[in-house]
Amino acid sequence: SAVISQKPSRDICQRGTSLTIQCQVDSQVTMMFWYRQQPGQSLTLIATANQGSEATYESGFVIDKFPISRPNLTFSTLTVSNMSPEDSSIYLCSVVTPPVGQYFGPGTRLTVT
Amino acid sequence: QKEVEQNSGPLSVPEGAIASLNCTYSDRGSQSFFWYRQYSGKSPELIMSIYSNGDKEDGRFTAQLNKASQYVSLLIRDSQPSDSATYLCAVNRDDKIIFGKGTRLHILP
Repeated sequence: SAVISQKPSRDICQRGTSLTIQCQVDSQVTMMFWYRQQPGQSLTLIATANQGSEATYESGFVIDKFPISRPNLTFSTLTVSNMSPEDSSIYLCSVVTPPVGQYFGPGTRLTVT
Repeated sequence: QKEVEQNSGPLSVPEGAIASLNCTYSDRGSQSFFWYRQYSGKSPELIMSIYSNGDKEDGRFTAQLNKASQYVSLLIRDSQPSDSATYLCAVNRDDKIIFGKGTRLHILP
């Protein structure tokens, strides 16, 4: 399995500001995923980040709001832009390691006031 | 119809009994199925994966898959208080993993 770290682990931000979340993996992976988990809800896929290409966003998520970078095979960032209280959530980075399994980072708990 | 459906629970099971968690999915093309455990305040942890019809056992856990019925289940034998958590069913779709809302399991001491 992969070891995944995320920074920051938690943050409290003001409405209208932006936060960049970092995800670091201890091995090279082709695909990295960003999920959101709102309180009491399951995980919702935001986008898939492939190295060397634009991220692919799921329905309801747009690049202007959630820009993603993937500069190499072990690192990615997700920015939550122009935040509102509705963006308060846990944001999770995830990778798939063959032959099986999708593994998650510890998450970033974001509160927007 | 949602892609992955689970009963939200809570499901209460006496300690030592068998806990049975169920999941249905809508995409007949799905080939990979997963069960994750998530403790409160923690990220999901993969506990089982299954790819072919039938049963797959790993310790106290047994995953069951029926592709004709589009049904996946997880059995936990000899339930322990430490099994109390939310269990997420997940299904692959186009190289992505789609999650159900999860079933909260509570093991009664």
